[in-house]
Amino acid sequence: EVQLVESGGGLVKPGGSLRLSCAASGFTFSSYSMNWVRQAPGKGLEWVSSISSSSSYIYYADSVKGRFTISRDNAKNSLYLQMNSLRAEDTAVYYCARDRSYLQIQLWLFYFDYWGQGTLVTVSS
Amino acid sequence: QSVLTQPPSVSGAPGQRVTISCTGSSSNIGAGYDVHWYQQLPGTAPKLLIYGNSNRPSGVPDRFSGSKSGTSASLAITGLQAEDEADYYCQSYDSSLSGSMVFGGGTKLTVL
Repeated sequence: EVQLVESGGGLVKPGGSLRLSCAASGFTFSSYSMNWVRQAPGKGLEWVSSISSSSSYIYYADSVKGRFTISRDNAKNSLYLQMNSLRAEDTAVYYCARDRSYLQIQLWLFYFDYWGQGTLVTVSS
Repeated sequence: QSVLTQPPSVSGAPGQRVTISCTGSSSNIGAGYDVHWYQQLPGTAPKLLIYGNSNRPSGVPDRFSGSKSGTSASLAITGLQAEDEADYYCQSYDSSLSGSMVFGGGTKLTVL
């Protein structure tokens, strides 16, 4: 059974930092690209970042580019999100999600087939 | 404001059929990029419902179906059940936003 378990959320002041972790099990972690997707309270979903299976390709949403860093450790079956210079608008539940990639119109696209339960990040003074 | 537009809410009685639209533009759905759908039950994480416009993952009832035409996509739910009450999100790729995966704003389905 595929399991994704996030941790590391909490309350942080504006300008502060936080590191999220996602522990994966039930599948060959090193074979899949992984993502972070967030959901502000009462709002919709927002894709945050993606990392390929070998960490060769990394992408970020414009809203977090330059402040967040995604990484993974395939030996530990773990995904990470280092969040710096946090802002109030970063307050959200952060989900770890596995993706299924496919080639379409000369682009590698993906959808999210498994999600973790999420971890809440609150940025407030 | 989301690049993909969904109605904020839809409703239907048990047993009825409802549809949820996802309207995009020539930089996303209209460009030919696939649409995927997710169901988010209250207080839980999203779950993949439809991928590649019309494909159901294993375990998803055939009451759920997806379609795409032009710059829009639709999710149809037939034989509505109380447990279908949830938020539904569409997702696609948009080439105008530095190349990014985008979600619709979500639709709250209420089973009357």
